[in-house]
Amino acid sequence: ETGVTQTPRHLVMGMTNKKSLKCEQHLGHNAMYWYKQSAKKPLELMFVYNFKEQTENNSVPSRFSPECPNSSHLFLHLHTLQPEDSALYLCASSPYKGMNTEAFFGQGTRLTVV
Amino acid sequence: TQLLEQSPQFLSIQEGENLTVYCNSSSVFSSLQWYRQEPGEGPVLLVTVVTGGEVKKLKRLTFQFGDARKDSSLHITAAQPGDTGLYLCAGEMDSNYQLIWGAGTKLIIKP
Repeated sequence: ETGVTQTPRHLVMGMTNKKSLKCEQHLGHNAMYWYKQSAKKPLELMFVYNFKEQTENNSVPSRFSPECPNSSHLFLHLHTLQPEDSALYLCASSPYKGMNTEAFFGQGTRLTVV
Repeated sequence: TQLLEQSPQFLSIQEGENLTVYCNSSSVFSSLQWYRQEPGEGPVLLVTVVTGGEVKKLKRLTFQFGDARKDSSLHITAAQPGDTGLYLCAGEMDSNYQLIWGAGTKLIIKP
């Protein structure tokens, strides 16, 4: 496989469930990102990992918990979500976190919280 | 709050027409990227502009970075159905390399 792969593609979960989103990149990149995309709103950066270290947490509620066990894998653990958390969650990677670096995105996980 | 405003939010035109999408901010960016996102896919980078006044061409797409590096435009000549998608601009901040995203322009080209 090449590029950035996200699983699952679609997820429906109840507000009391616990689930995890997975992202894997085969590009040899050292920076990985979680974004939230809601209709008609700008992409919201949630978390950034650079060389496996979390460098940014943009005021994301604690019901979202990221994990980066190595530079190729990124997880987003979800628990006790709210209906307003329903959105497309995009994972991205880049060679490093720095100037003029291109972000390579996965296809996203469409999350619906019921 | 740093904002990047895109206009129009939605555009539906006939094949063969020309169009321009705008991306405006009061902030200065070190660079600006344009992405296209198709349904069911993640955004894909089209171009990065770095220098004030820079113009880059990608086949029928022309990208321009404003002289003051606060705004950008994307012009499509003779639009085709394959150009349909969500066009996103993202400005890179000098201070922390973070990307500030616009909300996107949804473009539909009708055959």
